[in-house]
Amino acid sequence: NAGVTQTPKFRVLKTGQSMTLLCAQDMNHEYMYWYRQDPGMGLRLIHYSVGEGTTAKGEVPDGYNVSRLKKQNFLLGLESAAPSQTSVYFCASRSAIAGGQLAKNIQYFGAGTRLSVL
Amino acid sequence: GQNIDQPTEMTATEGAIVQINCTYQTSGFNGLFWYQQHAGEAPTFLSYNVLDGLEEKGRFSSFLSRSKGYSYLLLKELQMKDSASYLCAVRDRGGYQKVTFGIGTKLQVIP
Repeated sequence: NAGVTQTPKFRVLKTGQSMTLLCAQDMNHEYMYWYRQDPGMGLRLIHYSVGEGTTAKGEVPDGYNVSRLKKQNFLLGLESAAPSQTSVYFCASRSAIAGGQLAKNIQYFGAGTRLSVL
Repeated sequence: GQNIDQPTEMTATEGAIVQINCTYQTSGFNGLFWYQQHAGEAPTFLSYNVLDGLEEKGRFSSFLSRSKGYSYLLLKELQMKDSASYLCAVRDRGGYQKVTFGIGTKLQVIP
């Protein structure tokens, strides 16, 4: 059971380049999230999705776009990378429907993507 | 919105007990999580409190007081592998039930 898988694990970009981060989950979860984590700051939500074909902005969405064409995949795009986007990016997923109250609240995280923008 | 405060760093001795505190302010509380995150790794779920009181799970316990906006994570019989960051996170009552994470407490366990 792979859980949540993120690719790539590491990437170095030059300012202005574009790239897509892929998140895949095999738990049939409805909800998926993209966070960034920076030193001295908590995990901050970039975008999220409550189901296939739907996305919404989180607290720091500027400079990013997302797509959820398939339930198991959530893509994060950087159209024109900036040094301020140097960060560790985490994808997470959770179930909206579960047998118990606790089960549906747990977010499961991927291993992260370390991105440097020069 | 939500505001979460927790100490940035703590040091404790192997075999000892350590308590990591978290205070929060929220417009609509609907549960508090603790996650563990080892350096360079993903956060992993430790505990969830939605009602006041203590939840115990092995060496780890988590306490919640909703009236005080306060929680703590208690780690007993510390082991070297417990060296990690511990993230406090609060869920709100909105339709989306957003979860807001604190900056995390970096715990160093020393021999």
